[in-house]
Amino acid sequence: SQQGEEDPQALSIQEGENATMNCSYKTSINNLQWYRQNSGRGLVHLILIRSNEREKHSGRLRVTLDTSKKSSSLLITASRAADTASYFCATRTGANNLFFGTGTRLTVIP
Amino acid sequence: EADIYQTPRYLVIGTGKKITLECSQTMGHDKMYWYQQDPGMELHLIHYSYGVNSTEKGDLSSESTVSRIRTEHFPLTLESARPSHTSQYLCASSDGGTDTEAFFGQGTRLTVV
Repeated sequence: SQQGEEDPQALSIQEGENATMNCSYKTSINNLQWYRQNSGRGLVHLILIRSNEREKHSGRLRVTLDTSKKSSSLLITASRAADTASYFCATRTGANNLFFGTGTRLTVIP
Repeated sequence: EADIYQTPRYLVIGTGKKITLECSQTMGHDKMYWYQQDPGMELHLIHYSYGVNSTEKGDLSSESTVSRIRTEHFPLTLESARPSHTSQYLCASSDGGTDTEAFFGQGTRLTVV
């Protein structure tokens, strides 16, 4: 991958549990973004964290960023069946393009 | 709801045919992108544009070509389709700033037989 890896590749949890996904990247970044993709559809933006920020919240989403380790995590609290989707991190680099990770496929079991 | 549209949604076509995948956005965004998504989910940037008459190749080599004659339109063309071109193609656009999100179309699933 241009930027790196996400892990786990797949995650299956019970409804109500928390889901954590990790993203690692390779180069310095301007910001890191998380997207969601429902099966066979386009991606939808969830949250953006700038390189000088360490943590950000949006509803049930919590994102952390550690630029020294070149890694980020996305936490979804109190998961719902409707959260079942693939989740991607993406980084904006100096060239200003948007590069995506390999994605985590999340399944929330009702 | 994102105002970016891709047509067709699905396309099955024979080897050797010329195809054009359409992408249009009504948000006035300068930046537009084409990604190819393989069955393992990873998205690869194949083309991007920062404005009219500006096009560049992405990090994944692709036999496709693009054009940007109008701000709202960013079509992708394959002169001679092959089975190896079978994939999901996603178009996206974003505003000119750095801290901006990308808006994606619904994708075109191309199958070359």
